[in-house]
Amino acid sequence: KQEVTQIPAALSVPEGENLVLNCSFTDSAIYNLQWFRQDPGKGLTSLLLIQSSQREQTSGRLNASLDKSSGRSTLYIAASQPGDSATYLCAVNDYGQNFVFGPGTRLSVLP
Amino acid sequence: DAGVIQSPRHEVTEMGQEVTLRCKPISGHNSLFWYRQTMMRGLELLIYFNNNVPIDDSGMPEDRFSAKMPNASFSTLKIQPSEPRDSAVYFCASEREVTDTQYFGPGTRLTVL
Repeated sequence: KQEVTQIPAALSVPEGENLVLNCSFTDSAIYNLQWFRQDPGKGLTSLLLIQSSQREQTSGRLNASLDKSSGRSTLYIAASQPGDSATYLCAVNDYGQNFVFGPGTRLSVLP
Repeated sequence: DAGVIQSPRHEVTEMGQEVTLRCKPISGHNSLFWYRQTMMRGLELLIYFNNNVPIDDSGMPEDRFSAKMPNASFSTLKIQPSEPRDSAVYFCASEREVTDTQYFGPGTRLTVL
């Protein structure tokens, strides 16, 4: 059974810092991996989608990498801003559309 | 497009009552997903449909839960009878195809007293 963990559970940084969020999964036979952002009381917004054949994806200040063999993905946020404060979740898509979410990392960027 | 639409946004009911949650996926999307989010268990996939057909309902907690998708633009998740432990935020999501990203609705916050 696929299990997804995220480290750290919470992170507080001053504005302008670069930061890395980590996601680990136990079964490397995945179809793709997505990073989502969730604001309090809101739904999830997809940030980046990495297919199993890809190593990384970039969107603006965000860069996500995928290492299937080690069961790891990282989300890099450059020059963090207070507006980046949210919970970030990674989700692994097993073959067969079995989406398994991690518990999330709660990020606070202090002005 | 208006995105994934869910109703109601908030529902408060008493134990034993029937609850129906509704979802309208993004037009043209072939797959629809129902999730439940709680503090204790995080985000869990309950069931997903592809082309209106239920593909995997292994995440549905028990027989009190049922989901239907009568057409490509509408789905319901029903809980009968509801229990306090069903209190959670229920999300609906849709995607165009399996290689695509998922788009989430705003969720329905359910409170069962």
